Amino acid sequence: EPEVTQTPSHQVTQMGQEVILRCVPISNHLYFYWYRQILGQKVEFLVSFYNNEISEKSEIFDDQFSVERPDGSNFTLKIRSTKLEDSAMYFCASSEGAWTEAFFGQGTRLTVV
Amino acid sequence: ILNVEQSPQSLHVQEGDSTNFTCSFPSSNFYALHWYRWETAKSPEALFVMTLNGDEKKKGRISATLNTKEGYSYLYIKGSQPEDSATYLCAPRKNTGNQFYFGTGTSLTVIP
Repeated sequence: EPEVTQTPSHQVTQMGQEVILRCVPISNHLYFYWYRQILGQKVEFLVSFYNNEISEKSEIFDDQFSVERPDGSNFTLKIRSTKLEDSAMYFCASSEGAWTEAFFGQGTRLTVV
Repeated sequence: ILNVEQSPQSLHVQEGDSTNFTCSFPSSNFYALHWYRWETAKSPEALFVMTLNGDEKKKGRISATLNTKEGYSYLYIKGSQPEDSATYLCAPRKNTGNQFYFGTGTSLTVIP
């Protein structure tokens, strides 16, 4: 069964460093998303991406964050100059259409120290 | 921002018991409601997508109903089994934009 895969599963980084979280969406899906969950809090929307551009982003997704689809298969989230409060589980998701169900990856746990 | 509430926050039931939990959300600009099942260390798994007022969906022992006018959805599990232990998330979507707005989830533990 097709699935969304994310790497790495866990990343520890020093405050101020840049990190890149990687995702391989399901191959025929056209819409891609990043969500995050800070421990003990709700899953929060970060950004959605379609046709090689951001279609929607939340107020969390500021200039510190960027997304890219560098080739036909990967979808990345870059966090520049990480802060302690960026520590969270980051989930990638993809969907076939704008309004169809989204399939989620297993997440990358980011720990900023 | 969409205020999505799920209750109860956590639930412990005995194997064989039936249970239900609630998701409430603002009814304005509603487009669809998704239910996800999320086991520890796994990806959230899509259970149902519902769009119409009065919708009822069923998958095995799990079913869900939707009331878009008053802004709530119920998820029912009949004859709970230990493998049903997971966090159940609801995620409404508005008719503007396509993001999911997740609730805090209901954590279900089924005791053998």
